[in-house]
Formats: sequence, C-alpha cells, structure tokens
Amino acid sequence: GESVGLHLPTLSVQEGDNSIINCAYSNSASDYFIWYKQESGKGPQFIIDIRSNMDKRQGQRVTVLLNKTVKHLSLQIAATQPGDSAVYFCAENAPWGNQGGKLIFGQGTELSVKP
Amino acid sequence: KAGVTQTPRYLIKTRGQQVTLSCSPISGHRSVSWYQQTPGQGLQFLFEYFSETQRNKGNFPGRFSGRQFSNSRSEMNVSTLELGDSALYLCASSLEGGAYTGELFFGEGSRLTVL
Repeated sequence: GESVGLHLPTLSVQEGDNSIINCAYSNSASDYFIWYKQESGKGPQFIIDIRSNMDKRQGQRVTVLLNKTVKHLSLQIAATQPGDSAVYFCAENAPWGNQGGKLIFGQGTELSVKP
Repeated sequence: KAGVTQTPRYLIKTRGQQVTLSCSPISGHRSVSWYQQTPGQGLQFLFEYFSETQRNKGNFPGRFSGRQFSNSRSEMNVSTLELGDSALYLCASSLEGGAYTGELFFGEGSRLTVL
C-alpha cells in the first residue's frame, strides 16, 4: 500500500546547528507535500508545504526540498533552537480518486535540541 | 479566532462499549478530517467531511463512522470498542479541503483508552 516513511526516527542536534529531517514517499502521483510539527500534548502544527511543480520552498528558518526523481522530501531547519524540539511529520496528498484528497503521514522523526 | 476544539480530551472505555467524539472546526472552515494517531501506526486518515457529506474515507472498519452537521461541527463514533482502538483521535479543519488540502488546522485531540 501507499506509505510515507522517515529515514531517521530520532535526531539530536546542538542548539544553533542546522537540522535536516528526511522523508521518503511512495506514491509518484502525489502532488502536494506538507511538513508538520507536533509538540507533546498538542496536535500537529503546519510548518511549510510544497507542490510537486516546485523543488524548493523557503519559509522562516525552514526550507523544504523535493526530489521527485527519487521520491524524497527533506526539511531543513536553520539555527535550531530548543523550541524546535518536537516530532516532525511529513505528509503527502494522495491525488483525487477513490483515495483522493487525504493526507498520508510518515511515522515521524523526533528532534531533540541540546542547549 | 478560536482554534479547532475537540471534546472530550480524555476518556476511558471498556471493550465492547461505544464512544462519540466531537469536533468544532475553526469558524468558516467547511472541511473536517479525522485521524487516528498511535505509536505503532502513526497518523492514519479516517475520513473527511465537507458540507455534511463524507467525501473521503480511509481504510478503517465499519465500526468507525462519522457525520457532519450543518454548522460544520463533526462527530465520530466508534462502536464495539477493541483494545487496539486506544489512540489519540485528531480532528483537523480547513477551508475547503480537497486535492490541495492546504493548511490543516488540528485540534489537540481526544485521547481514548480502551480497557
């Protein structure tokens, strides 16, 4: 079946360093991707999205890269801060059809920022 | 602007019982989606409602059902509870949902424990 997976379940970085979280997706027809951040006891929070007609998109301290050739997505966080500690999920939008319009989430990567 | 509100936040049930969870979306949002989050399976799509109609459905048994009211508020019901139904149930709302899901706003979830 379809799946979105993460290469690393945990990532520990030093405060101030850059973080890179990776994600592999399996549905080559997926056309929209989102990164979410989930802090303990809270629901996922939107970070940044990218459509399949782009290969890079930047936000505030975050950049998402999309490589459709190898079906790979990454989230880069610049100057990581303690407040960035959370679980990060990638999600892909399955195209319209009998499974259309739903998000498929990866398993998540826990980011731990050491002060 | 109030966020997505889910009630109850925590509940404990026993096997065989049923449960109803409620979700109030952000004002003006017409799409409501439900997700189940467990440590083993991650975030899995249950269903999406738009204008009182179920528009998309995930791969869950018929014990899981939902509905949406004219004011966009949504409920989901799980009948004949099983131990494996213990999870965090997340509701998310968006303006239109659909193929480009856009920014989903998640509630903080209802944590269900089945004993």
